[in-house]
Amino acid sequence: DAGVIQSPRHEVTEMGQEVTLRCKPISGHNSLFWYRQTMMRGLELLIYFNNNVPIDDSGMPEDRFSAKMPNASFSTLKIQPSEPRDSAVYFCASRRGRDNEQFFGPGTRLTVL
Amino acid sequence: ILNVEQSPQSLHVQEGDSTNFTCSFPSSNFYALHWYRWETAKSPEALFVMTLNGDEKKKGRISATLNTKEGYSYLYIKGSQPEDSATYLCAPGGGDDKIIFGKGTRLHILP
Repeated sequence: DAGVIQSPRHEVTEMGQEVTLRCKPISGHNSLFWYRQTMMRGLELLIYFNNNVPIDDSGMPEDRFSAKMPNASFSTLKIQPSEPRDSAVYFCASRRGRDNEQFFGPGTRLTVL
Repeated sequence: ILNVEQSPQSLHVQEGDSTNFTCSFPSSNFYALHWYRWETAKSPEALFVMTLNGDEKKKGRISATLNTKEGYSYLYIKGSQPEDSATYLCAPGGGDDKIIFGKGTRLHILP
């Protein structure tokens, strides 16, 4: 298995632009999580899906952030419009069941100028 | 589960020495406790998932214990090696599917 796949690995954009981050979870995993890593807050949960359904988006910082999971093998996290304070590493993780470990993707390093 | 405390925040250990650190979490609505190892510029990697009070798990020189009644877990590293340098994260999970990560303990192994 290729593990959790994220793209792009690096994204540099200008303030005001739309940014879309992509994630392909491990096949057979029914839960998918989006995290943001910052110096201040560490690894912060933004939103998670169970069987493609958004369960808890209370960690999404603002309406500028949105996430979708149209099918079991694909999810997107969109920021529109982006701001410099959105600069961070965004991780996607997937898991099968509550008793099992989460597997993290390599992350997307986002820089908003 | 909102309050996850890990201590110490940072730790320097001489190569060959053993060490341990702590994760504290609210004991109510507990389901599972995850430990992850996070090396710089990489992604977190799972070490253990524990659910039962009194559970103890071991992987090589690393082991962990769990006390769900008082809300804490210990991670032990025996005979520290340079490759053990990383941030160790704990993440308790409640009745829902999400787990909340602590800020981690940053371990530095001194040669």
